[in-house]
Amino acid sequence: DAMVIQNPRYQVTQFGKPVTLSCSQTLNHNVMYWYQQKSSQAPKLLFHYYDKDFNNEADTPDNFQSRRPNTSFCFLDIRSPGLGDAAMYLCATSREHAYEQYFGPGTRLTVT
Amino acid sequence: QKEVEQDPGPLSVPEGAIVSLNCTYSNSAFQYFMWYRQYSRKGPELLMYTYSSGNKEDGRFTAQVDKSSKYISLFIRDSQPSDSATYLCAMKKTGNNRKLIWGLGTSLAVNP
Repeated sequence: DAMVIQNPRYQVTQFGKPVTLSCSQTLNHNVMYWYQQKSSQAPKLLFHYYDKDFNNEADTPDNFQSRRPNTSFCFLDIRSPGLGDAAMYLCATSREHAYEQYFGPGTRLTVT
Repeated sequence: QKEVEQDPGPLSVPEGAIVSLNCTYSNSAFQYFMWYRQYSRKGPELLMYTYSSGNKEDGRFTAQVDKSSKYISLFIRDSQPSDSATYLCAMKKTGNNRKLIWGLGTSLAVNP
């Protein structure tokens, strides 16, 4: 089945220790998104890629960066995680001009 | 004022009830309207989408958009315990902006 895969599903890191979350997709979609979702809140868009074009949201902290080495993979790097970065991180994809987005299962990040 | 308002609930109903979930919005530029279902500790799953005004039906689910009132609804008929989840509305403007604007989500519990 075509899908969006995120690894790991659960990640524990220490305060200030860099962490990388990964996302892969078999849908062959042009656009890939990273969201942060905290408990009882809506997903918050951090950034997205349209092909290799990177689009950062204005309020995304510099601590968050992303890489997209090819169509299938996208990575979220958190350079120095703080306690406030503990959240579910969701990857999503969409086709170029489509509005519907397809989400992965998420990575739950804990910062100790 | 938030662009999209959604009552977070929680909403608790008996099995077989008709459920009505709603969102209001303030920006008349929204043209695409989506409902996502999110089970606990999972990523959102696209349930229904509608362009502009009108109704759309899919099995037990009906989505309605009333642009004159800036109000959208999701109805679930014959609700089942498996419908217990958080339901998020999301909206998008026309054009190249890919960003979805999300409601907070309504937590629904269907009791057997």
